[in-house]
Amino acid sequence: GEDVEQSLFLSVREGDSSVINCTYTDSSSTYLYWYKQEPGAGLQLLTYIFSNMDMKQDQRLTVLLNKKDKHLSLRIADTQTGDSAIYFCAEKPGANSKLTFGKGITLSVRP
Amino acid sequence: DGGITQSPKYLFRKEGQNVTLSCEQNLNHDAMYWYRQDPGQGLRLIYYSQIVNDFQKGDIAEGYSVSREKKESFPLTVTSAQKNPTAFYLCASSWTSVGTGELFFGEGSRLTVL
Repeated sequence: GEDVEQSLFLSVREGDSSVINCTYTDSSSTYLYWYKQEPGAGLQLLTYIFSNMDMKQDQRLTVLLNKKDKHLSLRIADTQTGDSAIYFCAEKPGANSKLTFGKGITLSVRP
Repeated sequence: DGGITQSPKYLFRKEGQNVTLSCEQNLNHDAMYWYRQDPGQGLRLIYYSQIVNDFQKGDIAEGYSVSREKKESFPLTVTSAQKNPTAFYLCASSWTSVGTGELFFGEGSRLTVL
């Protein structure tokens, strides 16, 4: 079945790297996503990765996918206060499937 | 500017009243979605529409209704049958409901039942 799990809270110091983790249970997931939600706003797609990839890098963001363990991570280098938000991972098992979101993790960046 | 507009941003309702949340997009997207967000619960899908004049129930459709008479519009009615309607409601759209599935979200509507 479809289920996405994330821990709830992470606090980091400005300038450090942040690593946000996610596990999923549907081994057929074709697409995996990271969305960001700033306070009181909607979600914004940060990046996504296809299941045939192990890693994807986009400026300060690095996504790692371990299909064997069904583990997805998002690394944010040089974390800034503007990165403070809720981060959701999501999976899409197939082209005709709907997105399933995790519960989200709140990232707090302290000066 | 292209995007998704939700209104109102904040809404208060008395118990027993129906309320309709507006969602309009000018992205020419075929698919539109309504999600409900509660603290610590993530996003749960209420209804979605793949094309005009068609829509399907999501995971938590009870107590809600939708219509899709125009491509640009997908209003959500929260009926008095919804037992716990206080939540943050998010509308989203995508080119289609198949493919990569990238969703574009509105800014949300916060409904409080008094």
